[in-house]
Amino acid sequence: DQQVKQNSPSLSVQEGRISILNCDYTNSMFDYFLWYKKYPAEGPTFLISISSIKDKNEDGRFTVFLNKSAKHLSLHIVPSQPGDSAVYFCAARTGGTSYGKLTFGQGTILTVHP
Amino acid sequence: DSGVTQTPKHLITATGQRVTLRCSPRSGDLSVYWYQQSLDQGLQFLIQYYNGEERAKGNILERFSAQQFPDLHSELNLSSLELGDSALYFCASSNTGFGNTIYFGEGSWLTVV
Repeated sequence: DQQVKQNSPSLSVQEGRISILNCDYTNSMFDYFLWYKKYPAEGPTFLISISSIKDKNEDGRFTVFLNKSAKHLSLHIVPSQPGDSAVYFCAARTGGTSYGKLTFGQGTILTVHP
Repeated sequence: DSGVTQTPKHLITATGQRVTLRCSPRSGDLSVYWYQQSLDQGLQFLIQYYNGEERAKGNILERFSAQQFPDLHSELNLSSLELGDSALYFCASSNTGFGNTIYFGEGSWLTVV
């Protein structure tokens, strides 16, 4: 039972263009969502998060959008840079439980070409 | 560098054996989390300790156990190892049980042959 799904295993984008990574979830009890970035031989690194009471959160080149009715969130990277090439994981957690108990998607490999 | 230290980085062992993975959280962090990343399952939450006590449990097998010591470092013990236990095991930490994010170490690669 995969409660968080990233249906695109990979995404290839040209430098300077927008990267859009998508994530769908099934558990309506999720109330907080996070995106992590992972480089090879490193652990996941926190990127940006959003609470279920919001529909958008922005941090520099990164913006996360949440559509609760569709149970869908997306991460926009503008402009994309070659250093953004990594695996991106969407994660979610339910309220009232440990904040570190995250449910992760399978990840999307982003490649940004110069 | 997240500040979370995991040892060993790589480990190869035989089926039926027992191994211990070690984690030192970031300075001041009271919570430690263990995750398993396998090829077919992705990142899966195993267990959390907060200041020495078990706080949350996920899909952790009975053959696996963990503990957090008074100096806040944690160990994940994996016993009666099977081929399917081969995975990358991550430790993460946060400064409370309810921090907004957690910080991951680089992981310990376990290969069971």
